[in-house]
Amino acid sequence: DARVTQTPRHKVTEMGQEVTMRCQPILGHNTVFWYRQTMMQGLELLAYFRNRAPLDDSGMPKDRFSAEMPDATLATLKIQPSEPRDSAVYFCASGLVAGGPYEQFFGPGTRLTVL
Amino acid sequence: QKEVEQDPGPLSVPEGAIVSLNCTYSNSAFQYFMWYRQYSRKGPELLMYTYSSGNKEDGRFTAQVDKSSKYISLFIRDSQPSDSATYLCAMSAGTSGTYKYIFGTGTRLKVLA
Repeated sequence: DARVTQTPRHKVTEMGQEVTMRCQPILGHNTVFWYRQTMMQGLELLAYFRNRAPLDDSGMPKDRFSAEMPDATLATLKIQPSEPRDSAVYFCASGLVAGGPYEQFFGPGTRLTVL
Repeated sequence: QKEVEQDPGPLSVPEGAIVSLNCTYSNSAFQYFMWYRQYSRKGPELLMYTYSSGNKEDGRFTAQVDKSSKYISLFIRDSQPSDSATYLCAMSAGTSGTYKYIFGTGTRLKVLA
């Protein structure tokens, strides 16, 4: 049963600390997305990669957020320094993009609380 | 104004009711339209997708796209308590090099037993 995994599932940290979230996409998928979900804004796209290359990170605050894919089995999202307004659920999703519509498979999310 | 607008609800209906969920959008280039369902404290899961205008039916669910009005709908017949979730619409232009979907904020649905 292939699925996207994310760690940690929950993270509570203090303002100013570094936060690293990890995602393992489904094997064989060529596109990975990072989203942030809040009640007010809904699901916002932060960044996405195709074949490990960053395609668009315009949704991320560049001064504090960074996203990487060091290899095909790992995507990371870092926040440094973290702020209370970063509190949200962060989802990773992966998909096989080959032209036309495709399904994004979401992980269970990392619930981040910044105090 | 957001590219995709969706009423956040919550929407409460009795079991067995017909539910109508809707999204409007502003980008006329969108041609792929999807509905995702998200249970509490879970990631969204694809429910249905449609391409361009028209209807698509899958069991108790019907997705409808009206590109002339920039309006999409999801109908749920004979709603069940297990349908209680947040429903998110998503859409994409699907042009070469553009792989991202724009999501609505989601509508929370509660079906009362």
